[in-house]
Amino acid sequence: DGGITQSPKYLFRKEGQNVTLSCEQNLNHDAMYWYRQDPGQGLRLIYYSQIVNDFQKGDIAEGYSVSREKKESFPLTVTSAQKNPTAFYLCASSTPLNTGELFFGEGSRLTVL
Amino acid sequence: DQQVKQNSPSLSVQEGRISILNCDYTNSMFDYFLWYKKYPAEGPTFLISISSIKDKNEDGRFTVFLNKSAKHLSLHIVPSQPGDSAVYFCAAKDYGGSQGNLIFGKGTKLSVKP
Repeated sequence: DGGITQSPKYLFRKEGQNVTLSCEQNLNHDAMYWYRQDPGQGLRLIYYSQIVNDFQKGDIAEGYSVSREKKESFPLTVTSAQKNPTAFYLCASSTPLNTGELFFGEGSRLTVL
Repeated sequence: DQQVKQNSPSLSVQEGRISILNCDYTNSMFDYFLWYKKYPAEGPTFLISISSIKDKNEDGRFTVFLNKSAKHLSLHIVPSQPGDSAVYFCAAKDYGGSQGNLIFGKGTKLSVKP
């Protein structure tokens, strides 16, 4: 089945630790995205990548880093510099058609203890 | 400042009746609008979209209406079913803009009661 796989689904982290969230897609999509959702908030864009080895900052990139070494993979690292990392993180991908139609993974919930 | 606003955080509707979810936008450059549906602890799924050259788009029980002069769009679900209970996000973009320019509203939680 084609889709987007995020792991882990739940993650706990101590303050001061970096953590990396995995996102893999087998849809052969060029563009991939990371969003953050907080309670009562919409989805806010962290980073996106339109092609391998290239990525751009979204609205809330501070404290996060990404890499795009392979078309299928777009991992997100939540660094210790992120002031409020507890959130639900969503990875998505899209075709080059630029219609705004995104295919989302099931999300990863990060809790900082 | 929010460019896409969903002013109703929640909506409760009886099964079989119509659900109307509203969305307002401020950026006149937006020319493509989408609705996503999200269940708890899952990723959103695309529901329906409309471009600014249309004022209505229909897909089964779901219809989206666009009023460009009022910068307003609405999603109608008829008839509503309990399985429609979810959070609905309105999103907008400038079609010619970057892929990263999809702006989401805060969502409306729809509860359809049997």
